[in-house]
Amino acid sequence: SQELEQSPQSLIVQEGKNLTINCTSSKTLYGLYWYKQKYGEGLIFLMMLQKGGEEKSHEKITAKLDEKKQQSSLHITASQPSHAGIYLCGADIVGYGGSQGNLIFGKGTKLSVKP
Amino acid sequence: NAGVMQNPRHLVRRRGQEARLRCSPMKGHSHVYWYRQLPEEGLKFMVYLQKENIIDESGMPKERFSAEFPKEGPSILRIQQVVRGDSAAYFCASSPSLLNYEQYFGPGTRLTVT
Repeated sequence: SQELEQSPQSLIVQEGKNLTINCTSSKTLYGLYWYKQKYGEGLIFLMMLQKGGEEKSHEKITAKLDEKKQQSSLHITASQPSHAGIYLCGADIVGYGGSQGNLIFGKGTKLSVKP
Repeated sequence: NAGVMQNPRHLVRRRGQEARLRCSPMKGHSHVYWYRQLPEEGLKFMVYLQKENIIDESGMPKERFSAEFPKEGPSILRIQQVVRGDSAAYFCASSPSLLNYEQYFGPGTRLTVT
């Protein structure tokens, strides 16, 4: 079974609308990463969250990690065509003392933004 | 500051040949990770290396795959006797240290086995 579930799998929004992507784990997330991938290209690092309740923003993208550190959400405000792509969450579910660096990934959320 | 570099970007090999994928981490980064992305699947961890050491290879297939990160030069992921099922995008990521392990990814190498 998938250890990291992302929802929705795909999303089509009108330009200017807000949207949220979720990433959920049954295990504690010691480090939660959000990446953006354009089709056929590499991953662009967006944000990393580590502490329960932590929230980070970059331009119009905000990511939060819940207090229990088992769920993260990525919120885009006033979406633009440039936001289109595949959003991936990756997580360290082992933590220090374990096999840190061994990230597991969700299957991604494909975002399309209609002009 | 150049990002993570991977080459080649695209590699075509016939079944039975060897594939060598190279990854140069970001300047100042001493940790390298390799991931594989199969069509319609998510990214899967393969191996984590520091200079001259394999730290975790729990995601590496037992046969035909090997990785190294020598003291000098790029990290190499080597696939011997490639099969069609090896066709995938292979991504390398690097991070500065254990205390700061934000992982930055390269553009990937797309391997096609014919």
